[in-house]
Amino acid sequence: DIQMTQSPASLSASLGETVTIECRASEDIYNGLAWYQQKPGKSPQLLIYNANSLHTGVPSRFSGSGSGTQYSLKINSLQSEDVASYFCQQYYDYPTFGGGTKLELK
Amino acid sequence: VQLVESGGGLVQPGKSLKLSCSASGFTFSSYGMHWIRQAPGKGLDWVAYISSSSGTVYADAVKGRFTISRDNAKNTLYLQLNSLKSEDTAIYYCARTGNSGFFDYWGQGVMVTVSS
Repeated sequence: DIQMTQSPASLSASLGETVTIECRASEDIYNGLAWYQQKPGKSPQLLIYNANSLHTGVPSRFSGSGSGTQYSLKINSLQSEDVASYFCQQYYDYPTFGGGTKLELK
Repeated sequence: VQLVESGGGLVQPGKSLKLSCSASGFTFSSYGMHWIRQAPGKGLDWVAYISSSSGTVYADAVKGRFTISRDNAKNTLYLQLNSLKSEDTAIYYCARTGNSGFFDYWGQGVMVTVSS
């Protein structure tokens, strides 16, 4: 199985700040990488697929980048509604997820 | 797109349960579908996949115990859970597969608790 290592596990940031979450795969996943947002008590929602493509209806302050084994999710101008947990997922092989990043407001 | 799970509950170890996922708002028969689970307070684990032509794939942790199936006439996805263990306790989500293997739409989830 491809292991996904996500960092940091938790993050505290201020409104308007830019936030970056990293995900490292145990082998090359050739941009087969998605990012999800999960708010408390809710199901995950797709943000980014194919490493850098924005899903329908997702605000443009979210962006994805990376290649090979290293990927990142950036949130520009943090809003209060962005408080959530974020997960990466690879789909180059059988799907596996990163451990998640819990984003809170400072 | 709407996905609505049902069938969860409290079940004893070793017993069985069948989950359903009712789909609407898209052509169900044209899409592969997944089950993904999340233990309380934990991360996400992929469980099983069924293609539009009903080919199936399972995670090692559930292989031989769980069975994914679909009824395209009823626009419904199923997960039969047998020989349940305490470590199967989780919220179970159904999700539609995107073009390549990501999950573009998720249901609200259904809780399965395995305990004596």
